[in-house]
Amino acid sequence: NAGVMQNPRHLVRRRGQEARLRCSPMKGHSHVYWYRQLPEEGLKFMVYLQKENIIDESGMPKERFSAEFPKEGPSILRIQQVVRGDSAAYFCASSPLRDEQYFGPGTRLTVT
Amino acid sequence: GENVEQHPSTLSVQEGDSAVIKCTYSDSASNYFPWYKQELGKRPQLIIDIRSNVGEKKDQRIAVTLNKTAKHFSLHITETQPEDSAVYFCAARSYNTDKLIFGTGTRLQVFP
Repeated sequence: NAGVMQNPRHLVRRRGQEARLRCSPMKGHSHVYWYRQLPEEGLKFMVYLQKENIIDESGMPKERFSAEFPKEGPSILRIQQVVRGDSAAYFCASSPLRDEQYFGPGTRLTVT
Repeated sequence: GENVEQHPSTLSVQEGDSAVIKCTYSDSASNYFPWYKQELGKRPQLIIDIRSNVGEKKDQRIAVTLNKTAKHFSLHITETQPEDSAVYFCAARSYNTDKLIFGTGTRLQVFP
């Protein structure tokens, strides 16, 4: 039973480029959450999605960031026109039904 | 707004001793309190959780206690081992939302 999968594990982008982060939830899980972790800090909630719906995006910056969880395929967190301050580890988590959240290995984004 | 405070930020213990990490939450609607262990460069791993209808929960060397009146909860690790060394995060979730609000983390070092 594969856990939560994320790719890529490491992503380097130049300022102004776009970053696309993918998350495949555990089998049977229909709830996906994205969190950001800055170095030496805790995790900050960004967005909560179910299939084809954004349920709560209260933690996501209003500009440049978007997320989706299509009917088929992984959830995607998209960051347009990246800036150095976007450098962080981005974790997604999944849960079966508003229950325990299990985290993926994260994508470490570096903006140069 | 919602806030979770966590203390101490670092904790060093001798192998075999006990370790206690404490968290305080602000949202009285919080009803679910998980604890995560994160080793360097790895994903946060759910190690134990407690719901608001329970005062204490134990799993081998790990226990969590909850005081709803005082709005705090604690993680207790007994007979610590070097492999317990990691950063531990507490979190809280309200009944009317799905996002986890994380504490700032405790770096636990267990010396052999």
